[in-house]
Amino acid sequence: NAGVTQTPKFQVLKTGQSMTLQCAQDMNHNSMYWYRQDPGMGLRLIYYSASEGTTDKGEVPNGYNVSRLNKREFSLRLESAAPSQTSVYFCASSDYITQPQHFGDGTRLSIL
Amino acid sequence: AQSVTQLDSHVSVSEGTPVLLRCNYSSSYSPSLFWYVQHPNKGLQLLLKYTSAATLVKGINGFEAEFKKSETSFHLTKPSAHMSDAAEYFCVVSETGGFKTIFGAGTRLFVKA
Repeated sequence: NAGVTQTPKFQVLKTGQSMTLQCAQDMNHNSMYWYRQDPGMGLRLIYYSASEGTTDKGEVPNGYNVSRLNKREFSLRLESAAPSQTSVYFCASSDYITQPQHFGDGTRLSIL
Repeated sequence: AQSVTQLDSHVSVSEGTPVLLRCNYSSSYSPSLFWYVQHPNKGLQLLLKYTSAATLVKGINGFEAEFKKSETSFHLTKPSAHMSDAAEYFCVVSETGGFKTIFGAGTRLFVKA
């Protein structure tokens, strides 16, 4: 089925560990996004990639890095995980609009 | 600066009755406005978007929203609720053409049989 695929779906880390969240879309979309969702706060944009080869900071980029590996894939890396990064992370993509159209089902990340 | 306020954290309706989810926004620029729906343990789905064309916007699943500049509002409505509409709904504002989005805190919709 066409869509946005995120891996893993669940992960538990210890403080200080590193991890990369993977995202891939098969709709040939130009733009991709990473959000985090925390209770009562809606979604907050971490980073986005307007097109292959470009990335830009969103609202809450500190503690994260991203890589737009190719048109399909956009990964999010936590270099040294902190408990404040416990959240649900969503990847999204869009084609000709500058807002996310399709979302993955999320990665639930807990940092102890 | 942009901001968005969803006026109700939760709304409860009976099946077959109208739905109203309220959203007010603040924007220094000509805004684009969106509504998304999120079902449990799922990603968000785009319901509808306003980008300075018609002020009454029709979306999927019978939802629509009206952009009222004088009231800085973008309320979401549906004439008749269905059990499958039970979900969380997010109002979103961004500068037209910009990638940076501001999400509201969400409104949880409960539908009673």
